[in-house]
Amino acid sequence: DVKVTQSSRYLVKRTGEKVFLECVQDMDHENMFWYRQDPGLGLRLIYFSYDVKMKEKGDIPEGYSVSREKKERFSLILESASTNQTSMYLCASILTGGSQPQHFGDGTRLSIL
Amino acid sequence: DAKTTQPPSMDCAEGRAANLPCNHSTISGNEYVYWYRQIHSQGPQYIIHGLKNNETNEMASLIITEDRKSSTLILPHATLRDTAVYYCIVRGSQGNLIFGKGTKLSVKP
Repeated sequence: DVKVTQSSRYLVKRTGEKVFLECVQDMDHENMFWYRQDPGLGLRLIYFSYDVKMKEKGDIPEGYSVSREKKERFSLILESASTNQTSMYLCASILTGGSQPQHFGDGTRLSIL
Repeated sequence: DAKTTQPPSMDCAEGRAANLPCNHSTISGNEYVYWYRQIHSQGPQYIIHGLKNNETNEMASLIITEDRKSSTLILPHATLRDTAVYYCIVRGSQGNLIFGKGTKLSVKP
């Protein structure tokens, strides 16, 4: 089974801190995605990556950056955390091409105080 | 990007079949339909996907209409653990999944 692991299930940080969310997948998938999920807004795409050192902006990239130094790891960075970034963050991965489904991690519930 | 429409909520009796409908009238010819579900505080779980033909796996069946404008997810014998939000999804142009608001399925004893 595909496993997507997010480093923390719950995280509490302070406004202005630099926050790192880590995601690791074990199936050699090329594509990885970061979403955030908020009540009433569904899942929104923040950033995605097609390959190592490649990154593309999603629908809501402001205030975030990403890093993909190794194929299995995709990191989301909140440069200077703000309270409006309190949310559930979800990482997903998928093979390139075909119709294979995305596989999600269990999410990180991030609170910015 | 194609969008999907689902009823906001449904109830189902335990042991009965749960039939969850989805409209995707703007879907293009080569776009697959994916179904996921999400139990509170967990990540979305993949259930099944299809293009034209009906599909079945150990979790569910997927019925797609001939014109591909709608589909139905069938959980043949719903249990209390099937209570979740179910999402019918087509992929966006960037390969991402475009989640709508889904259907909150409540399985009742």
